[in-house]
Amino acid sequence: GQNIDQPTEMTATEGAIVQINCTYQTSGFNGLFWYQQHAGEAPTFLSYNVLDGLEEKGRFSSFLSRSKGYSYLLLKELQMKDSASYLCAVRRTSGTYKYIFGTGTRLKVLA
Amino acid sequence: EPEVTQTPSHQVTQMGQEVILRCVPISNHLYFYWYRQILGQKVEFLVSFYNNEISEKSEIFDDQFSVERPDGSNFTLKIRSTKLEDSAMYFCASLRDPTYNEQFFGPGTRLTVL
Repeated sequence: GQNIDQPTEMTATEGAIVQINCTYQTSGFNGLFWYQQHAGEAPTFLSYNVLDGLEEKGRFSSFLSRSKGYSYLLLKELQMKDSASYLCAVRRTSGTYKYIFGTGTRLKVLA
Repeated sequence: EPEVTQTPSHQVTQMGQEVILRCVPISNHLYFYWYRQILGQKVEFLVSFYNNEISEKSEIFDDQFSVERPDGSNFTLKIRSTKLEDSAMYFCASLRDPTYNEQFFGPGTRLTVL
């Protein structure tokens, strides 16, 4: 089966660092994706990992351990505009490329 | 910058009516998707489409749902007889090919079934 788990909600302070964890179980793993979603809007792509290790992209970094079925998204120098939901998604191959989303983590950034 | 577009942005319909949600994916993309997101819940995969046919569909995508790519640019989702529980945001997304990582989402259509 497929299972993706993330914390439901997190709170952090402006300027701080926050780490959002994601664990997954799936067959045909073909990449781990992080998306940002503001309320009422579409998800927007943040990062992608297919090999183990850390990918850095400005204030955002994402880490993957395939053997542990684990990823995290690290957000540095938090800004108020980072208040949003962060969605972990696994892409798997089974004849096609299918994206399975976690429930998302709602991040509140406080002044 | 190319983008995925969707129309309408909002659709209100009566239970039992048919609705067609429209999407224009990015022109050189090959893989197309429909997702549903009920308010406060996760993004759920409905169907993927490649090479002019459905490549995979979820258990949600029952006989009431169908997809078409009628003219090489539009990609439509039809719900034949809407139910109250079909009320949700429907997102279309496209992917150029798997060597490109980013799946681009349209802005969504908010469907309300009364």
